[in-house]
Amino acid sequence: NAGVTQTPKFRVLKTGQSMTLLCAQDMNHEYMYWYRQDPGMGLRLIHYSVGEGTTAKGEVPDGYNVSRLKKQNFLLGLESAAPSQTSVYFCASSYLIDLRDGYTFGSGTRLTVV
Amino acid sequence: AQTVTQSQPEMSVQEAETVTLSCTYDTSENNYYLFWYKQPPSRQMILVIRQEAYKQQNATENRFSVNFQKAAKSFSLKISDSQLGDTAMYFCALSDSGTYKYIFGTGTRLKVLA
Repeated sequence: NAGVTQTPKFRVLKTGQSMTLLCAQDMNHEYMYWYRQDPGMGLRLIHYSVGEGTTAKGEVPDGYNVSRLKKQNFLLGLESAAPSQTSVYFCASSYLIDLRDGYTFGSGTRLTVV
Repeated sequence: AQTVTQSQPEMSVQEAETVTLSCTYDTSENNYYLFWYKQPPSRQMILVIRQEAYKQQNATENRFSVNFQKAAKSFSLKISDSQLGDTAMYFCALSDSGTYKYIFGTGTRLKVLA
């Protein structure tokens, strides 16, 4: 099925460990985004990409890095996980920059840092 | 700065009744889009309805409709004939034409009671 696929769906990390979240889309979308969702705070943008080889910072980029080596993939890395990064992470993609058609979201990754 | 405010953290409604979720926003742009997203317990983000700011007519999608008051910067969602499957978190979101991201509200948790 066409859409946005996130892996893994769940992960528990120890403080200081590193990991990479993978987002893959098969809709040929140019724009991809990583958000985090925390209780009472809605969704906040971490990083985004407007095309292959490009990345940019969103509202809450500290502690995260991203890469977009291939158009269909957008990776989110945590180099040294901290308990404050416990969250649900969503990847999304879109075709049009003005987002009139809305995002296509992945199903999320629940990350717990202990 | 753009902001989106959802002042009702939780709401409940009886099955088959009508409920209205509130959303106010602030933007200096003239062209923008407003969205309501539904997030059921499955965590998947689902686009419910969209409104273009330049359109005066309120958007409608089956049982879902909006009351868009541009001057008041208000964008409420009305759910008619509520069903148990409407139980979810609902997020209001704002996107400016030509920008790269959404601004999300903090969400309203809706519970439909049998």
